[in-house]
Amino acid sequence: GAGVSQSPSNKVTEKGKDVELRCDPISGHTALYWYRQSLGQGLEFLIYFQGNSAPDKSGLPSDRFSAERTGGSVSTLTIQRTQQEDSAVYLCASSPRETQYFGPGTRLLVL
Amino acid sequence: AQSVTQLDSQVPVFEEAPVELRCNYSSSVSVYLFWYVQYPNQGLQLLLKYLSGSTLVKGINGFEAEFNKSQTSFHLRKPSVHISDTAEYFCAVSEPAYFGNEKLTFGTGTRLTIIP
Repeated sequence: GAGVSQSPSNKVTEKGKDVELRCDPISGHTALYWYRQSLGQGLEFLIYFQGNSAPDKSGLPSDRFSAERTGGSVSTLTIQRTQQEDSAVYLCASSPRETQYFGPGTRLLVL
Repeated sequence: AQSVTQLDSQVPVFEEAPVELRCNYSSSVSVYLFWYVQYPNQGLQLLLKYLSGSTLVKGINGFEAEFNKSQTSFHLRKPSVHISDTAEYFCAVSEPAYFGNEKLTFGTGTRLTIIP
């Protein structure tokens, strides 16, 4: 079946601009996670959604980062006023329970 | 808080030789353990997982790993590697949480390079 999809695959933006990253999880998976992969910090958890419950935002690095999940399915990660240190690969994963399945990621470059 | 240590950042191995990638974790509670592989410019692909039961788990592409609770280790092994195994390998741990946040904590990764 279809896996997790993310768009865009690559995004180049200028410092100060806002960006939106999209994640389409595997159908039927109730849990959705966002992670960031950067050279300096490795792979780090950002935010967790479970069904229609309030998300766990404990991993978001600043208030410039936000995410939403509509209808318990598609999720959008928004970064406002991007900074150069936001350059990274943003990975989305979905899970029925226990095991997470990752998308291909969005590579973000902030100039 | 959990943590994962992958002591070897790079491991070169000759083709058809065996390989072991080491992973140690720390956690005060029971854990789930995972190995993921990342090929260049791709996302993370699940290799294998330990949730409960038998401590020896087998995964895709001929890989296996053994959960050792006393040594808090989950080393990844393959008896004979191929060129196609060249990739970055990540060990990860999560805490069981029934329909709760089972966020993954990752190690820093091991780059496996297969030498022809």
